[in-house]
Amino acid sequence: SQQGEEDPQALSIQEGENATMNCSYKTSINNLQWYRQNSGRGLVHLILIRSNEREKHSGRLRVTLDTSKKSSSLLITASRAADTASYFCATDLNDYKLSFGAGTTVTVRA
Amino acid sequence: DGGITQSPKYLFRKEGQNVTLSCEQNLNHDAMYWYRQDPGQGLRLIYYSQIVNDFQKGDIAEGYSVSREKKESFPLTVTSAQKNPTAFYLCASSMDPGAQETQYFGPGTRLLVL
Repeated sequence: SQQGEEDPQALSIQEGENATMNCSYKTSINNLQWYRQNSGRGLVHLILIRSNEREKHSGRLRVTLDTSKKSSSLLITASRAADTASYFCATDLNDYKLSFGAGTTVTVRA
Repeated sequence: DGGITQSPKYLFRKEGQNVTLSCEQNLNHDAMYWYRQDPGQGLRLIYYSQIVNDFQKGDIAEGYSVSREKKESFPLTVTSAQKNPTAFYLCASSMDPGAQETQYFGPGTRLLVL
């Protein structure tokens, strides 16, 4: 059962530009997490935002959460070639299980 | 170095064969997880373990089995009953059980069918 859905599926930007991707989900959540996956590797945790938070920052990352619209966005500012990866949102299906979306593949062109 | 290791990196399975994927962590985490990733799809939960000697089925447990005899180890066996095993398998752990916890992932094992 996949709860989160990322949009767009793929994104290609020039180095230095900002990248924005969105995650929509179906049922109420307690928290939402974003992860990054480089090609053929494991996932790396980026940021967690709780349902009572609206915005969170970590370095060049900015995450927003709108629980009324059941959506979240991840903004990467001043993108670099190393940001090329797939990005996944994960929502808590229940107390113990996370549901991951299909991901947004970001390509940063030099 | 602390982290999660998975082996092997690539695994080939013959028809009717059981194969076991290894997952070890030295993070002293209580909870461990197995996910399956297919191209263009999100991760799907196979099994998870909140504590040693305990584990629960995830969303796609059929054709898989696990054990959790030691805190640091959570091997996954893909049995012959799993008819479509070709996928990328990811193991993860978290300090405590709970969907609010950060999960730390291993590098993955790619399973291919001969």
